[in-house]
Amino acid sequence: QKEVEQDPGPLSVPEGAIVSLNCTYSNSAFQYFMWYRQYSRKGPELLMYTYSSGNKEDGRFTAQVDKSSKYISLFIRDSQPSDSATYLCATARTGANSKLTFGKGITLSVRP
Amino acid sequence: NAGVTQTPKFQVLKTGQSMTLQCAQDMNHEYMSWYRQDPGMGLRLIHYSVGAGITDQGEVPNGYNVSRSTTEDFPLRLLSAAPSQTSVYFCASSLTSGGAPLDTQYFGPGTRLTVL
Repeated sequence: QKEVEQDPGPLSVPEGAIVSLNCTYSNSAFQYFMWYRQYSRKGPELLMYTYSSGNKEDGRFTAQVDKSSKYISLFIRDSQPSDSATYLCATARTGANSKLTFGKGITLSVRP
Repeated sequence: NAGVTQTPKFQVLKTGQSMTLQCAQDMNHEYMSWYRQDPGMGLRLIHYSVGAGITDQGEVPNGYNVSRSTTEDFPLRLLSAAPSQTSVYFCASSLTSGGAPLDTQYFGPGTRLTVL
């Protein structure tokens, strides 16, 4: 079992829809949880991060972590065509030299 | 700041050829890493470095070499290219390592490599 599993997609939604992207992880030592966004033919860029459990909101984006079920979610409200991209979840332990473990990524398309 | 730069953007090699993918950052970051991204596989760590003179293997190191003689540069060498190394390669850097806010990884634009 990979340490981080992500819904494979792809996902296509109409503009204005609420999007839910999800990952599960297996290692309880992970404390940091991140979402990266990658536009076509570009490098990934950090979208949001959370530490331990809880929610974090940034504009139309909400990141949610449930450590009891080892579940990571990213919600996008009022989705826009500019949100069309690949979204990768990533996790890391605390401590020096901790490496990121990425999910496979899910490609989202928001139709005008 | 130019951020993380990678050259070349595209490269086609024949099986058995060697080449070096270049990566440079101007943010004085200690931690640098190389990933490959393949369809359905996500990002996989090849090698990483926690500072000049220090490198270590990641998840998929076979067939690749790295060195870190300066803080700014972290080249990735393919010793004898194989079709299985056809991929998109990303270099990334961060102030330290891990997932804390100070450790945000900044990715370069990638190098698309095809090995025939």
